[in-house]
Amino acid sequence: GAVVSQHPSWVICKSGTSVKIECRSLDFQATTMFWYRQFPKQSLMLMATSNEGSKATYEQGVEKDKFLINHASLTLSTLTVTSAHPEDSSFYICSARGQGTNYGYTFGSGTRLTVV
Amino acid sequence: KQEVTQIPAALSVPEGENLVLNCSFTDSAIYNLQWFRQDPGKGLTSLLLIQSSQREQTSGRLNASLDKSSGRSTLYIAASQPGDSATYLCAVRQSPAGSARQLTFGSGTQLTVLP
Repeated sequence: GAVVSQHPSWVICKSGTSVKIECRSLDFQATTMFWYRQFPKQSLMLMATSNEGSKATYEQGVEKDKFLINHASLTLSTLTVTSAHPEDSSFYICSARGQGTNYGYTFGSGTRLTVV
Repeated sequence: KQEVTQIPAALSVPEGENLVLNCSFTDSAIYNLQWFRQDPGKGLTSLLLIQSSQREQTSGRLNASLDKSSGRSTLYIAASQPGDSATYLCAVRQSPAGSARQLTFGSGTQLTVLP
């Protein structure tokens, strides 16, 4: 089955620093990956759609200069939180769709970001 | 804009009980609907995927139904076990036309199965 690997699983960083989160599709090619954010006891909110070889599409209210997305290959997408602040502390999850029309979406294991 | 609602928000049942989780969506023009399980601090595990043309899907003790015209889906869990304790999320994907390929999630039902 389709597997998406996400790293790191958790990270603690100081305010003002940048953090990079990686999402890899291990056994399939993903031309599109999705980045979600989840606050405690809330559901997932789509942040942006990452397209291989082109610019990401951001949802309304998401700062593209703060949340940099790079999708340089068919198996890797990265989300960089720049100049992180405590309010950026959250759970970030990526997802991709497996090949074939009957495949649902596969999710990474998530990254818990804490900004201190 | 699609909105997905899950009821109840939380549910606590004794072990062995059969239970039903509900999901409703406002726009019936969906491509498919997917049920996920999320353990605390973890990512999402796909449980069942129902295409818009299907009425139900089954996997082990889980059965998911879809009534697209009424905008509803249910997840039935038979003979619940403490290991089933988790948050269950439903998500819909709109028809594939255009760029609407992302999922819209409900807020989830937090299930606790008591031993």
